[in-house]
Amino acid sequence: GNSVTQMEGPVTLSEEAFLTINCTYTATGYPSLFWYVQYPGEGLQLLLKATKADDKGSNKGFEATYRKETTSFHLEKGSVQVSDSAVYFCALSDGAGGGADGLTFGKGTHLIIQP
Amino acid sequence: EAGVVQSPRYKIIEKKQPVAFWCNPISGHNTLYWYLQNLGQGPELLIRYENEEAVDDSQLPKDRFSAERLKGVDSTLKIQPAELGDSAVYLCASSLTRSNTGELFFGEGSRLTVL
Repeated sequence: GNSVTQMEGPVTLSEEAFLTINCTYTATGYPSLFWYVQYPGEGLQLLLKATKADDKGSNKGFEATYRKETTSFHLEKGSVQVSDSAVYFCALSDGAGGGADGLTFGKGTHLIIQP
Repeated sequence: EAGVVQSPRYKIIEKKQPVAFWCNPISGHNTLYWYLQNLGQGPELLIRYENEEAVDDSQLPKDRFSAERLKGVDSTLKIQPAELGDSAVYLCASSLTRSNTGELFFGEGSRLTVL
Protein backbone atom coordinates (compact mmCIF):
# COMPACT_ATOMS: atom_id res chain seq x y z
CA GLY A 1 0.00 0.00 0.00
CA ASN A 2 0.91 3.67 -0.10
CA SER A 3 2.92 5.26 2.69
CA VAL A 4 4.73 8.49 3.48
CA THR A 5 7.66 8.83 5.85
CA GLN A 6 8.84 12.21 7.04
CA MET A 7 11.43 13.31 9.54
CA GLU A 8 10.26 13.47 13.11
CA GLY A 9 10.18 16.67 15.04
CA PRO A 10 10.14 18.96 16.64
CA VAL A 11 12.62 20.78 14.45
CA THR A 12 13.87 23.95 16.13
CA LEU A 13 15.72 26.59 14.12
CA SER A 14 16.72 30.19 14.50
CA GLU A 15 15.19 32.85 12.29
CA GLU A 16 16.87 33.11 8.86
CA ALA A 17 18.24 29.56 9.06
CA PHE A 18 18.00 27.13 6.12
CA LEU A 19 15.25 24.54 6.42
CA THR A 20 15.01 21.00 5.09
CA ILE A 21 12.25 18.59 6.06
CA ASN A 22 12.78 15.16 4.54
CA CYS A 23 9.94 13.17 3.00
CA THR A 24 10.08 9.81 1.23
CA TYR A 25 7.21 7.78 -0.11
CA THR A 26 6.13 4.34 -1.23
CA ALA A 27 3.44 4.09 -3.86
CA THR A 28 2.25 2.00 -6.75
CA GLY A 29 2.09 3.87 -10.01
CA TYR A 30 2.86 7.55 -10.31
CA PRO A 31 1.54 9.57 -7.40
CA SER A 32 1.07 13.30 -7.03
CA LEU A 33 2.94 14.74 -4.05
CA PHE A 34 1.91 17.49 -1.67
CA TRP A 35 3.04 19.49 1.31
CA TYR A 36 0.30 20.72 3.64
CA VAL A 37 0.83 23.10 6.56
CA GLN A 38 -1.17 23.50 9.76
CA TYR A 39 -0.66 26.76 11.63
CA PRO A 40 -1.65 26.87 15.31
CA GLY A 41 -5.43 26.87 15.70
CA GLU A 42 -6.08 26.57 11.96
CA GLY A 43 -7.03 23.85 9.50
CA LEU A 44 -4.68 22.11 7.08
CA GLN A 45 -3.90 24.10 3.98
CA LEU A 46 -2.02 23.23 0.83
CA LEU A 47 1.49 24.68 0.72
CA LEU A 48 2.72 23.26 -2.60
CA LYS A 49 2.39 20.29 -4.92
CA ALA A 50 4.04 18.41 -7.79
CA THR A 51 2.28 15.99 -10.09
CA LYS A 52 5.11 14.31 -12.00
CA ALA A 53 8.78 13.44 -11.74
CA ASP A 54 11.21 16.38 -11.71
CA ASP A 55 8.41 18.89 -11.13
CA LYS A 56 9.22 21.55 -8.55
CA GLY A 57 6.45 22.94 -6.39
CA SER A 58 6.98 26.34 -4.76
CA ASN A 59 5.04 28.75 -2.59
CA LYS A 60 5.84 31.38 0.08
CA GLY A 61 9.58 30.76 -0.35
CA PHE A 62 9.21 27.00 0.16
CA GLU A 63 10.26 24.54 -2.54
CA ALA A 64 10.12 20.79 -3.07
CA THR A 65 11.21 18.70 -6.07
CA TYR A 66 9.58 15.42 -7.03
CA ARG A 67 12.47 12.92 -7.21
CA LYS A 68 11.26 9.62 -8.61
CA GLU A 69 14.67 7.94 -8.48
CA THR A 70 14.93 8.49 -4.73
CA THR A 71 11.14 8.50 -4.09
CA SER A 72 11.55 11.76 -2.22
CA PHE A 73 9.88 15.17 -1.95
CA HIS A 74 11.96 17.12 0.55
CA LEU A 75 10.71 20.55 1.66
CA GLU A 76 13.24 23.42 1.69
CA LYS A 77 13.32 27.11 2.48
CA GLY A 78 16.36 29.32 2.35
CA SER A 79 15.54 31.65 5.23
CA VAL A 80 12.81 30.78 7.72
CA GLN A 81 10.77 33.26 9.72
CA VAL A 82 9.03 33.00 13.08
CA SER A 83 5.71 32.97 11.19
CA ASP A 84 6.72 29.67 9.53
CA SER A 85 6.28 27.88 12.87
CA ALA A 86 3.68 25.20 12.17
CA VAL A 87 3.21 21.49 11.57
CA TYR A 88 4.12 20.36 8.04
CA PHE A 89 2.63 17.24 6.44
CA CYS A 90 3.90 15.45 3.36
CA ALA A 91 1.18 13.62 1.43
CA LEU A 92 0.58 11.66 -1.73
CA SER A 93 -2.31 10.75 -3.96
CA ASP A 94 -2.20 8.01 -6.52
CA GLY A 95 -5.48 8.98 -8.15
CA ALA A 96 -5.54 10.57 -11.56
CA GLY A 97 -5.65 14.33 -11.17
CA GLY A 98 -4.35 14.34 -7.63
CA GLY A 99 -6.52 14.66 -4.58
CA ALA A 100 -9.93 13.47 -5.71
CA ASP A 101 -9.26 9.96 -4.44
CA GLY A 102 -8.00 11.10 -1.05
CA LEU A 103 -4.52 11.62 0.33
CA THR A 104 -2.08 9.48 2.32
CA PHE A 105 -0.29 11.64 4.89
CA GLY A 106 2.95 11.40 6.79
CA LYS A 107 2.93 11.87 10.56
CA GLY A 108 3.82 15.55 10.37
CA THR A 109 6.86 17.56 11.41
CA HIS A 110 6.50 20.29 14.02
CA LEU A 111 8.69 23.25 13.07
CA ILE A 112 9.59 25.83 15.70
CA ILE A 113 11.39 29.01 14.66
CA GLN A 114 13.01 31.05 17.38
CA PRO A 115 13.66 34.79 16.98
CA GLU B 1 -16.04 32.54 -0.28
CA ALA B 2 -16.63 30.48 2.86
CA GLY B 3 -14.32 27.57 3.55
CA VAL B 4 -15.19 24.15 4.91
CA VAL B 5 -17.19 24.60 8.11
CA GLN B 6 -17.21 22.03 10.88
CA SER B 7 -19.01 21.88 14.19
CA PRO B 8 -18.60 21.52 17.04
CA ARG B 9 -14.96 22.59 17.37
CA TYR B 10 -14.66 20.79 20.70
CA LYS B 11 -16.67 18.03 22.33
CA ILE B 12 -16.15 16.25 25.64
CA ILE B 13 -18.27 13.19 26.39
CA GLU B 14 -18.33 10.17 28.68
CA LYS B 15 -17.50 6.80 27.14
CA LYS B 16 -20.46 4.89 25.73
CA GLN B 17 -22.24 8.16 24.87
CA PRO B 18 -23.06 9.04 21.25
CA VAL B 19 -21.55 11.99 19.41
CA ALA B 20 -22.10 13.60 16.02
CA PHE B 21 -20.00 15.94 13.92
CA TRP B 22 -21.29 18.13 11.13
CA CYS B 23 -19.53 19.39 8.01
CA ASN B 24 -20.53 21.92 5.37
CA PRO B 25 -18.17 21.76 2.37
CA ILE B 26 -17.23 24.53 0.00
CA SER B 27 -20.07 25.34 -2.36
CA GLY B 28 -19.81 23.33 -5.58
CA HIS B 29 -17.41 20.73 -4.21
CA ASN B 30 -18.83 17.31 -5.07
CA THR B 31 -16.26 15.28 -3.14
CA LEU B 32 -16.29 15.23 0.65
CA TYR B 33 -13.89 13.43 2.97
CA TRP B 34 -13.80 12.60 6.66
CA TYR B 35 -10.34 12.10 8.15
CA LEU B 36 -9.25 11.00 11.62
CA GLN B 37 -6.18 12.62 13.15
CA ASN B 38 -4.73 11.10 16.30
CA LEU B 39 -2.31 13.12 18.42
CA GLY B 40 1.11 13.30 16.76
CA GLN B 41 -0.10 11.50 13.65
CA GLY B 42 -1.10 12.46 10.15
CA PRO B 43 -4.73 12.42 9.03
CA GLU B 44 -6.15 9.04 8.00
CA LEU B 45 -9.07 8.73 5.60
CA LEU B 46 -12.28 7.37 7.09
CA ILE B 47 -14.73 7.86 4.24
CA ARG B 48 -15.02 9.64 0.89
CA TYR B 49 -18.24 10.77 -0.77
CA GLU B 50 -18.89 11.62 -4.39
CA ASN B 51 -22.09 13.64 -4.13
CA GLU B 52 -24.31 11.54 -1.84
CA GLU B 53 -22.58 8.22 -2.58
CA ALA B 54 -19.94 6.80 -0.24
CA VAL B 55 -17.35 5.59 -2.75
CA ASP B 56 -14.66 4.61 -0.24
CA ASP B 57 -15.59 3.64 3.32
CA SER B 58 -13.10 0.80 3.70
CA GLN B 59 -11.40 2.44 6.71
CA LEU B 60 -14.59 3.36 8.58
CA PRO B 61 -15.16 1.17 11.66
CA LYS B 62 -18.71 0.31 10.84
CA ASP B 63 -19.56 -1.28 14.18
CA ARG B 64 -19.70 2.12 15.86
CA PHE B 65 -19.13 4.76 13.18
CA SER B 66 -21.63 5.92 10.60
CA ALA B 67 -21.78 8.78 8.14
CA GLU B 68 -24.29 10.29 5.81
CA ARG B 69 -24.51 12.93 3.11
CA LEU B 70 -28.16 12.81 2.24
CA LYS B 71 -28.48 15.69 -0.22
CA GLY B 72 -24.93 15.62 -1.52
CA VAL B 73 -23.94 18.75 0.42
CA ASP B 74 -23.65 18.67 4.22
CA SER B 75 -22.40 15.55 5.96
CA THR B 76 -22.66 14.09 9.44
CA LEU B 77 -20.26 11.65 11.09
CA LYS B 78 -21.60 9.77 14.10
CA ILE B 79 -19.99 7.58 16.74
CA GLN B 80 -22.19 5.38 18.91
CA PRO B 81 -21.11 4.35 21.44
CA ALA B 82 -17.88 6.31 21.87
CA GLU B 83 -14.81 4.63 23.34
CA LEU B 84 -11.76 6.13 25.04
CA GLY B 85 -9.65 5.42 21.97
CA ASP B 86 -11.91 7.61 19.83
CA SER B 87 -10.38 10.75 21.36
CA ALA B 88 -8.92 12.53 18.34
CA VAL B 89 -9.53 15.32 15.86
CA TYR B 90 -12.07 14.61 13.12
CA LEU B 91 -11.32 16.54 9.96
CA CYS B 92 -13.64 17.23 7.07
CA ALA B 93 -12.32 18.19 3.64
CA SER B 94 -13.82 18.84 0.23
CA SER B 95 -12.63 19.08 -3.34
CA LEU B 96 -13.85 19.31 -6.89
CA THR B 97 -14.35 15.81 -8.27
CA ARG B 98 -12.28 16.49 -11.34
CA SER B 99 -9.81 18.89 -9.82
CA ASN B 100 -6.78 19.67 -11.93
CA THR B 101 -4.89 20.87 -8.85
CA GLY B 102 -5.47 17.88 -6.60
CA GLU B 103 -6.07 20.20 -3.68
CA LEU B 104 -8.21 19.24 -0.71
CA PHE B 105 -9.69 22.05 1.38
CA PHE B 106 -9.88 21.25 5.09
CA GLY B 107 -12.03 22.53 7.89
CA GLU B 108 -10.57 23.38 11.28
CA GLY B 109 -11.57 20.03 12.71
CA SER B 110 -13.68 18.77 15.61
CA ARG B 111 -11.66 17.74 18.65
CA LEU B 112 -13.26 14.89 20.59
CA THR B 113 -12.31 13.95 24.13
CA VAL B 114 -13.83 10.78 25.56
CA LEU B 115 -13.61 10.44 29.34
